[in-house]
Amino acid sequence: AQSVTQPDIHITVSEGASLELRCNYSYGATPYLFWYVQSPGQGLQLLLKYFSGDTLVQGIKGFEAEFKRSQSSFNLRKPSVHWSDAAEYFCAVGTYTGNQFYFGTGTSLTVIP
Amino acid sequence: DVKVTQSSRYLVKRTGEKVFLECVQDMDHENMFWYRQDPGLGLRLIYFSYDVKMKEKGDIPEGYSVSREKKERFSLILESASTNQTSMYLCASIESSSGNTIYFGEGSWLTVV
Repeated sequence: AQSVTQPDIHITVSEGASLELRCNYSYGATPYLFWYVQSPGQGLQLLLKYFSGDTLVQGIKGFEAEFKRSQSSFNLRKPSVHWSDAAEYFCAVGTYTGNQFYFGTGTSLTVIP
Repeated sequence: DVKVTQSSRYLVKRTGEKVFLECVQDMDHENMFWYRQDPGLGLRLIYFSYDVKMKEKGDIPEGYSVSREKKERFSLILESASTNQTSMYLCASIESSSGNTIYFGEGSWLTVV
């Protein structure tokens, strides 16, 4: 069965520190992979996506993610976190047909001064 | 930019009331979705629609129905609201031209008292 796992429910980092949010997926075919960010009371905003090609993808707000097929992972990274990055982050897998998406349960990020 | 608009951001309804949540997208997308988001449970799919008048049940359709009379509009209906339907509801649509990227509305906070 298809699934997405975000093992870290909550992460706290200091402003300026590096960040890595983990995402593992289970999917039978080549996945379409996404990271979304959600600020309090808002909808989900697309950070970046991977369909094919270069396994390191760049997104908005200085985020990047790397697809590792052998590890079934799509971890999100940022070299230097800003206080405005505090939010909930969701990893998702989409199907080729575009009619099914599987979301992780999210990782809540707190940024301390 | 893709625009998914949920007309009601905050609603308070009484138990037993019929509730309509409206969603409109302006990009001629075929696939539209309704999710429910609850703390610790992530996003759960209620219904999706892949064409006008077509609908498919998601993971938690009980207590909900949907309507898609026009391509741009996808409505979620709570026939008789209950307190356990207090939640954040997210509408989304898919842009197939960019690899089935799912775009979300701002969300509708529903409280049933």
